[in-house]
Amino acid sequence: GQQLNQSPQSMFIQEGEDVSMNCTSSSIFNTWLWYKQDPGEGPVLLIALYKAGELTSNGRLTAQFGITRKDSFLNISASIPSDVGIYFCAGQKPGGTSYGKLTFGQGTILTVHP
Amino acid sequence: DADVTQTPRNRITKTGKRIMLECSQTKGHDRMYWYRQDPGLGLQLIYYSFDVKDINKGEISDGYSVSRQAQAKFSLSLESAIPNQTALYFCATSADSNQPQHFGDGTRLSIL
Repeated sequence: GQQLNQSPQSMFIQEGEDVSMNCTSSSIFNTWLWYKQDPGEGPVLLIALYKAGELTSNGRLTAQFGITRKDSFLNISASIPSDVGIYFCAGQKPGGTSYGKLTFGQGTILTVHP
Repeated sequence: DADVTQTPRNRITKTGKRIMLECSQTKGHDRMYWYRQDPGLGLQLIYYSFDVKDINKGEISDGYSVSRQAQAKFSLSLESAIPNQTALYFCATSADSNQPQHFGDGTRLSIL
């Protein structure tokens, strides 16, 4: 099935550094979601974006819905050890047979060194 | 999400066995989904259901079947398990097609 192109695949950073990851697609989405998955747990929703150009923050996290509706990025500022995990983007297409279904990126594995 | 419960959390079984994974939710959502997660591939949709009378195939439905017993319950079955079905399986729910999906903590399934 189709997948989003998420990059980078992994990141190793020092505590306190900022982090940026993004997702791109060849097709348009009407919703972009960012999830985080901790070991042994399911993905947890971080931020939901519903409009092209929308910029939304959740604490130290900021995400944007690209104007072309084909991309999104997530920034984490001043990283801390508990930011460790796998971050997934997910897109939802407008209407048709894909209505309500999510397409996921491959994930970005984040490691934060104290 | 504590409101989406998957059982069992871990299962080891043999090739050819029939397995059922169960999902129950207390969120009152109509929509329920089953995903499979493999390393490096993110999550892939197996089946989804928009209400009790509605079942739809996802991207990778071959070898799987589902049953929506009630609004709150959605089970996934492997009729005859094979080793390449070893993976993490997640159930998710959403209030409607415009709302984000909320995931259970997953079932780790190993088929020997």
